Amino acid sequence: GAVVSQHPSWVICKSGTSVKIECRSLDFQATTMFWYRQFPKQSLMLMATSNEGSKATYEQGVEKDKFLINHASLTLSTLTVTSAHPEDSSFYICSAAGLDRGTEAFFGQGTRLTVV
Amino acid sequence: EDQVTQSPEALRLQEGESSSLNCSYTVSGLRGLFWYRQDPGKGPEFLFTLYSAGEEKEKERLKATLTKKESFLHITAPKPEDSATYLCAVQDGRSASKIIFGSGTRLSIRP
Repeated sequence: GAVVSQHPSWVICKSGTSVKIECRSLDFQATTMFWYRQFPKQSLMLMATSNEGSKATYEQGVEKDKFLINHASLTLSTLTVTSAHPEDSSFYICSAAGLDRGTEAFFGQGTRLTVV
Repeated sequence: EDQVTQSPEALRLQEGESSSLNCSYTVSGLRGLFWYRQDPGKGPEFLFTLYSAGEEKEKERLKATLTKKESFLHITAPKPEDSATYLCAVQDGRSASKIIFGSGTRLSIRP
């Protein structure tokens, strides 16, 4: 399968600060990247979909000013959690899909964010 | 609205005891149905893609099947290392790329 690398794998930050999470497709060009959030023992909730070079499409209820997504190249997308609060603590996962990889999406290893 | 429902929520089996996991879906124009495996604290690992009713795919002890309304993930003679959460997801042909996940089935295999 394709390789998607997510960094960092875990981060602890103070309330009010911003955190950036990177998602890279290592062996294919990711035309579309997805960002998900997962709470313990729950499934993945889609936050936003981003296509390279264009603005991200956010799901209903997701604050676009709080969760900034940039997909500037075919191999990199970033999610920045701005002014983080304890309720933002969660497991964030990215996935990437590319034209040469069929329709399935491949996932990064996830980032555990803890806001204290 | 697209919906994906997985059952059961949790399943405990004895090693070697075969069973099936269910994924029911409602989508306008299925572009693809996916099965993933997720271990605690890790991202989902891709298993299968199914595109049309009647399609089947196999990988080791796992076999995925698809009908117009649901998919089954059959696990034959499972081993403890098959313990994980199995996620089903669908891709809507209208939105081209949006992938919606079910809530998953937590599978536990006792030795």
